[in-house]
Amino acid sequence: GIQVEQSPPDLILQEGANSTLRCNFSDSVNNLQWFHQNPWGQLINLFYIPSGTKQNGRLSATTVATERYSLLYISSSQTTDSGVYFCAVSLFYGGSQGNLIFGKGTKLSVKP
Amino acid sequence: DARVTQTPRDKVTEMGQEVTMRCQPILGHNTVFWYRQTMMQGLELLAYFRNRAPLDDSGMPKDRFSAEMPDATLATLKIQPSEPRDSAVYFCASANDRSQTNYGYTFGSGTRLTVV
Repeated sequence: GIQVEQSPPDLILQEGANSTLRCNFSDSVNNLQWFHQNPWGQLINLFYIPSGTKQNGRLSATTVATERYSLLYISSSQTTDSGVYFCAVSLFYGGSQGNLIFGKGTKLSVKP
Repeated sequence: DARVTQTPRDKVTEMGQEVTMRCQPILGHNTVFWYRQTMMQGLELLAYFRNRAPLDDSGMPKDRFSAEMPDATLATLKIQPSEPRDSAVYFCASANDRSQTNYGYTFGSGTRLTVV
């Protein structure tokens, strides 16, 4: 099956710093999503980004499907950005999107 | 905002008891997923429904777990009998795979299950 690797596994930032999280995947995909799991356990969908670039406020993401990686950029980090960031992928065919395979996540801690 | 509703939020039960978790997907979403999250295994897919039909339940221990969608507004996950190793957070998620522009999953808040 598809393998998803995220790096770095852990990241500590000072408030205001920028960061880049990386997701590599082992096979062709046409569904890639980024999630944030906050310290209370809630999983929030950040981006649905099978290819190209999207931005939402201080967050942006880029997926280069042909090279099998995606990047999540966090600018001017805030303490509320702390938590675990997951990348998840799937390959769909026959009209069905299939189920997402999750990476192990990047644990981000933003210090005040 | 539309949300996926899961009940109960927390459940503590004794080994051997039946546990039922419920999920109300977002209205109009045609795919529903059950995931389990543990420290050791991370997020694992247990079951996947499309238009209420089960498409993939290969990640689910068949001898004790069962998942159903009696109607479009309700998905259930049952464990009978429960065991301590079933302790985990169980998430339900829904999505609309008919959308060409956004197939983002929306997750519920999860059910934290503790089997003692």
